[in-house]
Amino acid sequence: KQEVTQIPAALSVPEGENLVLNCSFTDSAIYNLQWFRQDPGKGLTSLLLIQSSQREQTSGRLNASLDKSSGRSTLYIAASQPGDSATYLCAVNGGSQGNLIFGKGTKLSVKP
Amino acid sequence: NAGVMQNPRHLVRRRGQEARLRCSPMKGHSHVYWYRQLPEEGLKFMVYLQKENIIDESGMPKERFSAEFPKEGPSILRIQQVVRGDSAAYFCASSPLGGGPNEQFFGPGTRLTVL
Repeated sequence: KQEVTQIPAALSVPEGENLVLNCSFTDSAIYNLQWFRQDPGKGLTSLLLIQSSQREQTSGRLNASLDKSSGRSTLYIAASQPGDSATYLCAVNGGSQGNLIFGKGTKLSVKP
Repeated sequence: NAGVMQNPRHLVRRRGQEARLRCSPMKGHSHVYWYRQLPEEGLKFMVYLQKENIIDESGMPKERFSAEFPKEGPSILRIQQVVRGDSAAYFCASSPLGGGPNEQFFGPGTRLTVL
């Protein structure tokens, strides 16, 4: 049974720092992995999607890597800003039906 | 191109009432997934539907919960005789193609509160 773990559960950094969020999964047989952002009381915004054949994806200040064999993904945020404060969710798609399995998220706070 | 739409955004029900949550997928998407986010928990898959078909309902509670995606109109998640433990955020996601490696796009969610 696939399980997704995100470490740390919460992170507080000063503005301008580069930071890394971690995601691990127990079954390496996945189709893809998505990183989402969730603001309090809001829905999910897709940040990056990495297919199983890819090693990384980049969008602006965000870079996500995938090491399928070791069951790990990282989300790198460069030059963090207060507007980056949110909960970041990692989800893997490993089933033939496509349903996502989520981690519990990392709650990020960027202090001005 | 409008995104995934869900309504209502907030729903308050008393114990024993019925809750109906609606999801309109993105234009051109015929695959819908429902997820539930309980307080302090991660999102959990509930059900996957195509038009007029339930493909995978392995995450649905056995009783009181049902879902449909008719040929015309939105997908509906129905909860009968709600209990306090049903209080959660319910998210819908849509995809142009089902299964496998396809990206899912999420709606804003419906926050259900059971009094």
